[in-house]
Amino acid sequence: EVQLVESGGGLVQPGRSLKFSCAASGFTFSDYAMAWVRQAPKKGLEWVATIIYDGSSTYYRDSVKGRFTISRDNAKSTLYLQMDSLRSEDTATYYCARHALYYWYFDFWGPGTMVTVSS
Amino acid sequence: IQLTQSPSLLSASVGDRVTLSCKGSQNINNYLAWYQQKLGEAPKLLIYKTNSLQTGIPSRFSGSGSGTDYTLTISSLHSEDLATYYCYQYNNGLTFGSGTKLEIK
Repeated sequence: EVQLVESGGGLVQPGRSLKFSCAASGFTFSDYAMAWVRQAPKKGLEWVATIIYDGSSTYYRDSVKGRFTISRDNAKSTLYLQMDSLRSEDTATYYCARHALYYWYFDFWGPGTMVTVSS
Repeated sequence: IQLTQSPSLLSASVGDRVTLSCKGSQNINNYLAWYQQKLGEAPKLLIYKTNSLQTGIPSRFSGSGSGTDYTLTISSLHSEDLATYYCYQYNNGLTFGSGTKLEIK
């Protein structure tokens, strides 16, 4: 059974950093591109970043470029998101999501981790 | 590509046939998926590549469309279909629509 479990969210002050992770199981992690998708409170879904199967290419939405870094450790089947220079508008639930094999839609999602950026 | 979903709120009765719309600002070339998100839960994939039903999803859900206009249809609404539905395009960039909230009368 495919499982994605995020951890490491919490309350952080504006301008500070936070790194959280997503532990994957039930599939060959190193075969799949992975992504982070976020959802601000009572708002819609927003793609944040994607990393391809071997970590050699990464993609970001414009509003997080230069501030967020997506990475992966295939030996540990774990996905990461390093968030720097956090802003109040980064407050959201962050979901770890698996891209379908060879396609860019998401076929499995984790339950999400909440990040609140506030002083 | 921007996606516009309509209506933003839909109220329907159990057993009704329900149609949700998603319109792209450019041709999506059928690279469109639909997600269901129940309150407090992560999104779930329903449909990919316009009309392919994800494994385990009930056959009352179906998708159609082409070019810029796409539709999700629920043939006979069940009470457990109460959720917000998002369309998502992966033809040019990765973007979600703003969602249609489906209420049960």
